[in-house]
Amino acid sequence: EAAVTQSPRNKVTVTGGNVTLSCRQTNSHNYMYWYRQDTGHGLRLIHYSYGAGNLQIGDVPDGYKATRTTQEDFFLLLELASPSQTSLYFCASKQGNSGNTLYFGEGSRLIVV
Amino acid sequence: GDKVKQSPSALSLQEGTNSALRCNFSIAATTVQWFLQNPRGSLMNLFYLVPGTKENGRLKSAFDSKESYSTLHIRDAQLEDSGTYFCAAEAGGYNVLYFGSGTKLTVEP
Repeated sequence: EAAVTQSPRNKVTVTGGNVTLSCRQTNSHNYMYWYRQDTGHGLRLIHYSYGAGNLQIGDVPDGYKATRTTQEDFFLLLELASPSQTSLYFCASKQGNSGNTLYFGEGSRLIVV
Repeated sequence: GDKVKQSPSALSLQEGTNSALRCNFSIAATTVQWFLQNPRGSLMNLFYLVPGTKENGRLKSAFDSKESYSTLHIRDAQLEDSGTYFCAAEAGGYNVLYFGSGTKLTVEP
């Protein structure tokens, strides 16, 4: 079973604050993703990457930056957090060549007050 | 508009009964995955499908790419089946999965 680890698991920050969510996968997967989950919307894709140094824009990228520093590590950055970014964030990974199973981390709950 | 429409949004079942969840796609889906999110929030993969059907215990899933839909059938529902079920579709070669908004299933004794 693929291992995807997120940190922190819970975070509270103030409006305008700076937050970094971290994700590490140890299965040499090419693709890594950041999703946010909100009631009524399911999971929406923020950013994704197909390898170190690569970044692709998802469906809801505004207010978020991301960086893939290594094959294993993918970071989501909120430089000026807003209350609308209060959400449950999931990192996921899968091997390339479309059609492989997507594996999720345990989620990071962010509250912006 | 929504690329993946999932129905129903919520469902309550008596233990031992059967039901079906459905996803309709407005993208040219080539593969579909179904996930269960447990009450703690963890997401677990249930099925990965190319067009066709798969079965695992009391769960059976089908994906029809021509008619652009997928179904998840739950037979003999148990309390531990409670949670939120998500479908996700991938359109050929792009390695991006689009999710439905989920079906919250409650199984009652």
